[in-house]
Amino acid sequence: AQSVAQPEDQVNVAEGNPLTVKCTYSVSGNPYLFWYVQYPNRGLQFLLKYITGDNLVKGSYGFEAEFNKSQTSFHLKKPSALVSDSALYFCAVRGDNQGGKLIFGQGTELSVKP
Amino acid sequence: ETGVTQSPTHLIKTRGQQVTLRCSSQSGHNTVSWYQQALGQGPQFIFQYYREEENGRGNFPPRFSGLQFPNYSSELNVNALELDDSALYLCASSLPRGSLAYNEQFFGPGTRLTVL
Repeated sequence: AQSVAQPEDQVNVAEGNPLTVKCTYSVSGNPYLFWYVQYPNRGLQFLLKYITGDNLVKGSYGFEAEFNKSQTSFHLKKPSALVSDSALYFCAVRGDNQGGKLIFGQGTELSVKP
Repeated sequence: ETGVTQSPTHLIKTRGQQVTLRCSSQSGHNTVSWYQQALGQGPQFIFQYYREEENGRGNFPPRFSGLQFPNYSSELNVNALELDDSALYLCASSLPRGSLAYNEQFFGPGTRLTVL
């Protein structure tokens, strides 16, 4: 069965420090991996994706993620956090034979303090 | 280029009633997916429509049904509402298969449904 795990419900970071939001996955076939961000009372905004190619993916707002096949992980990172990055972050996966069905993790609340 | 829009924004219904939620896909997108996001949870896939046909379904009962229209807009219908149906319902559209960005799904702001 396909699944996504985000082991941390909440991540707290000081502004200017690097941040990491963790994600591990389980999927049959080649994984298609995504990160989305959700602000209060808003829909999901696409940040970045890994389909194939370079394991380090760069996305919107200075975020990047590293695909690690052996560890089945796709951690989201940013070198220097901003207070405005505070939001709910979701990792999602789909297998290459699963059409459009995205499987989401439970979400990680990122809090960046000044 | 307009984004994905959903209506209504909020809705309050009572148990046993029926509800219809609407979604207009982003320009050029012919695939629409619906997700249910309960409070404190990640979105869960309900179903997807491609060229007016259902193209995949998640673990939701038949009282959850949908439609896609020739202009690619879509409806989600839920019959016999239950208290647990209270959630944010998200619609997402994506480009035609074969497009470079086919795998990206663009989400609308959602409809907050409360069942009393």
